Amino acid sequence: DADVTQTPRNRITKTGKRIMLECSQTKGHDRMYWYRQDPGLGLRLIYYSFDVKDINKGEISDGYSVSRQAQAKFSLSLESAIPNQTALYFCATSDLGLAGAGNEQFFGPGTRLTVL
Amino acid sequence: GQQLNQSPQSMFIQEGEDVSMNCTSSSIFNTWLWYKQDPGEGPVLLIALYKAGELTSNGRLTAQFGITRKDSFLNISASIPSDVGIYFCAGQGGSGGSNYKLTFGKGTLLTVNP
Repeated sequence: DADVTQTPRNRITKTGKRIMLECSQTKGHDRMYWYRQDPGLGLRLIYYSFDVKDINKGEISDGYSVSRQAQAKFSLSLESAIPNQTALYFCATSDLGLAGAGNEQFFGPGTRLTVL
Repeated sequence: GQQLNQSPQSMFIQEGEDVSMNCTSSSIFNTWLWYKQDPGEGPVLLIALYKAGELTSNGRLTAQFGITRKDSFLNISASIPSDVGIYFCAGQGGSGGSNYKLTFGKGTLLTVNP
C-alpha cells in the first residue's frame, strides 16, 4: 500500500464550487505539505503543517484553506474555485526536519484538478 | 523568493548514453535532494545529499553536493527507456531557506530513444 495517498486522483469542477482534496499518510510523519504544480513553474508550496495544532501559509496560499484533522490526515480546500486554480496538487510528508537525515519529503500521487 | 536554476530544461538521448544535469543557486543549502516524476505520478526521491562535497550513488544514478553548497549535479549512466521522466532538484536549509521548506528547480525533461 502507498505511504501517502490522495483522493480524488482527478476532479473536474465549475467556477465558484467548493472543492476539498484529501491526503492520508501511513509514514507516521509529523509534517505535511500541500504543493501545486503548473507546467514550467515547478512545485510551489501552498500550506504546511508541523503537527495537528500547527498550520502555516506557504508562498501561494490565497484562495486555499487547509485542515489537519489528525496526524495522518491533511486536507486542502478551494473555497470558491476559479479557472487559474487548474493544476496538479501534491501532498507531501516529512519527519521532524532535524539537521541531516530526515529532511526528505515524500510525495503522494497527486490530484489533477480542472476548474471550468 | 529563492531560485534554483536547473539545466538543461530538456534532453533527448539514445538508450545507453550517459546523462548529466545540474542545479545552481545564489544561496547555500544544507541539503540537496533529487526527485524523479513519471507522468501522472508524484515526485519520487532518488538521492539525498547532506554534506558539501558528498558523492552518493543509487544504482546507475550518482549525485554530488557541490563544495560551495550552491550547486548539485545528477548523472545517469547507461540510460534505459524507463529513465524517461522529469527530474527535479530541491534545496533545503542554509541561507536558501529553513529546514522545512524545499526550493525546487523547474525540472529537466528526459527523453530516451530506444
